[in-house]
Amino acid sequence: DGGITQSPKYLFRKEGQNVTLSCEQNLNHDAMYWYRQDPGQGLRLIYYSQIVNDFQKGDIAEGYSVSREKKESFPLTVTSAQKNPTAFYLCASSITGTSYEQYFGPGTRLTVT
Amino acid sequence: AQSVTQLGSHVSVSEGALVLLRCNYSSSVPPYLFWYVQYPNQGLQLLLKYTSAATLVKGINGFEAEFKKSETSFHLTKPSAHMSDAAEYFCAVSGDFGNEKLTFGTGTRLTIIP
Repeated sequence: DGGITQSPKYLFRKEGQNVTLSCEQNLNHDAMYWYRQDPGQGLRLIYYSQIVNDFQKGDIAEGYSVSREKKESFPLTVTSAQKNPTAFYLCASSITGTSYEQYFGPGTRLTVT
Repeated sequence: AQSVTQLGSHVSVSEGALVLLRCNYSSSVPPYLFWYVQYPNQGLQLLLKYTSAATLVKGINGFEAEFKKSETSFHLTKPSAHMSDAAEYFCAVSGDFGNEKLTFGTGTRLTIIP
């Protein structure tokens, strides 16, 4: 079955540690996205990538980093510089140049204490 | 810049009653519009989308939405609510042509009263 996988589902880290969230897709989509979701704030775009080896900052990129070395993979690193990292993180992908419909993974809930 | 406003962060309806979730958008170009549903601790699932074809769009689970350009609205409706409709719903609007980003509203949590 085609889709997007995110791992792990739940992640716990101590403050000051970097942590990397995995996102893999087998939909052959060119574009991939990372969102952060907090209660009452909807989805906020962290980073997105429309092609391999290229990515752009979204609305809240500070304290985060990404890489796009393969079409299928778009890992997100939450660095120690992110002041409030506890949140639900969603990865999505889409075909470029069409109706911009995005497909979402199941999410990773990160808790930093 | 594109924006989306969802009126009502929480909506409660009785089982069997009409569901109406409101979405207004702002866009400098003819938009593509989307409604997504999210169940607790899960990702978002596409309910329906408007891509400049028919203004009345039918989606999954009996939902539909009507694009009204004059009102810049894309409200989501379902004639008869079911307990399984309890979830959070997000409206989203596309960016300019060639800009793949979507802008999401802040969401509406739908509660179904038995």
